[in-house]
Amino acid sequence: ETGVTQTPRHLVMGMTNKKSLKCEQHLGHNAMYWYKQSAKKPLELMFVYSLEERVENNSVPSRFSPECPNSSHLFLHLHTLQPEDSALYLCASSQDAFPGTDTQYFGPGTRLTVL
Amino acid sequence: AQTVTQSQPEMSVQEAETVTLSCTYDTSESDYYLFWYKQPPSRQMILVIRQEAYKQQNATENRFSVNFQKAAKSFSLKISDSQLGDAAMYFCAYRSASGGTSYGKLTFGQGTILTVHP
Repeated sequence: ETGVTQTPRHLVMGMTNKKSLKCEQHLGHNAMYWYKQSAKKPLELMFVYSLEERVENNSVPSRFSPECPNSSHLFLHLHTLQPEDSALYLCASSQDAFPGTDTQYFGPGTRLTVL
Repeated sequence: AQTVTQSQPEMSVQEAETVTLSCTYDTSESDYYLFWYKQPPSRQMILVIRQEAYKQQNATENRFSVNFQKAAKSFSLKISDSQLGDAAMYFCAYRSASGGTSYGKLTFGQGTILTVHP
């Protein structure tokens, strides 16, 4: 699958570090999403971007800071994370953010471990 | 708020046999979309099948089909002629068709781990 790519695939960081996750979609989509997948919990939507504008911020702590410089790229900047933030972070894209019009396509995820 | 429940944490099936994964959801909306996603050990989430709530006909995609019971708010996935490559975590998901702050949001169930035995 090369439609949605994510880097890095694995990341280990200390609580005082600053790091960024990158997502790129090659599908010509207008909407991009960040999800968090923790063990034994359903996927949680974090952010939604539509045409580079943030349209949903699902009560995510400010230590997670998204950035969408263009419709093909999405970043998640991480700063002073907590061990409970360790999870798989999934990026997804869809043609548009409006519901029901399209399917979301997911990237492979970044496995984040916070020490 | 919508909720999605998958009551089977794990299921297993013999190769070439049929298995059904259960999903129920709770919503007050009449127009919505339901999905089954598959997440194999490689972690890439893949769409398996999608159902529009306004359609009475059950969606089918090759060996995968759904039993959509709108009144019962049930959306089960049937996998026929199971293959080793079907082994994965399967997620049921709900998406509103209305606008507002919920648009774009997929609500996922907890997932069902499917094991396929040769």
